[in-house]
Amino acid sequence: EVQLVESGGGVVQPGGSLRLSCAASGFTFVDYAMHWVRQSPGKGLEWVSLIGGDGGATYYADSVRGRFTISRDISKNSLFLQMNSLTTEDSALYYCVKGSDFSNYWFDPWGQGTLVIVSA
Amino acid sequence: DIQMTQSPSPVSASVGDRVTITCRASQGISNYLAWYQQKPGKAPKLLIYAASSLQSGVPSRFSGSGSGTHFTLTITGLQPEDFATYYCQQANSFPLTFGGGTKVEIK
Repeated sequence: EVQLVESGGGVVQPGGSLRLSCAASGFTFVDYAMHWVRQSPGKGLEWVSLIGGDGGATYYADSVRGRFTISRDISKNSLFLQMNSLTTEDSALYYCVKGSDFSNYWFDPWGQGTLVIVSA
Repeated sequence: DIQMTQSPSPVSASVGDRVTITCRASQGISNYLAWYQQKPGKAPKLLIYAASSLQSGVPSRFSGSGSGTHFTLTITGLQPEDFATYYCQQANSFPLTFGGGTKVEIK
């Protein structure tokens, strides 16, 4: 069974930094692209970033490009999101998501999320 | 960026009803569309991919259709566990984008 367990969320002041982690298990980690998708409280879904299976390719939403960095440690089956220069607009539940079996660009499955609150 | 627009929202329906949700893309995306179901306090779940392919384990009362810019998700014979919010998502180009969601409510 695929499991994705996020951690690292918390409360941070505007301009601060956080590093999110996602521990993956139940599949061959290097074979799949991984994503971060976020959801602001009571709002819809926003794709944040993708990293290819071998970590060679990365993509970002315009809203986070230059501030967030996605990475993965294949030896530890772990995904990361380094978030810098945080603003209140970044407050959200951040989901770690695996690319589906049929395409790296469908999201399946999702972790339970880690909450990031940016507030003074 | 490709904008995804869902309608209607919300949808009020009763158990046993047939419910159709529409998703429109701001430009053609072929069949690069997925549908997700999200229940309160839970992560989204993939229902349909490639516009009409049913994800493994998803009940056959869910179906998807469409291509280009117009897509639909149909639930035939709504069940109590289907009351949730449904999102479409395009995978044609970056940035990957979602529709705003359609909440299916109990009438």
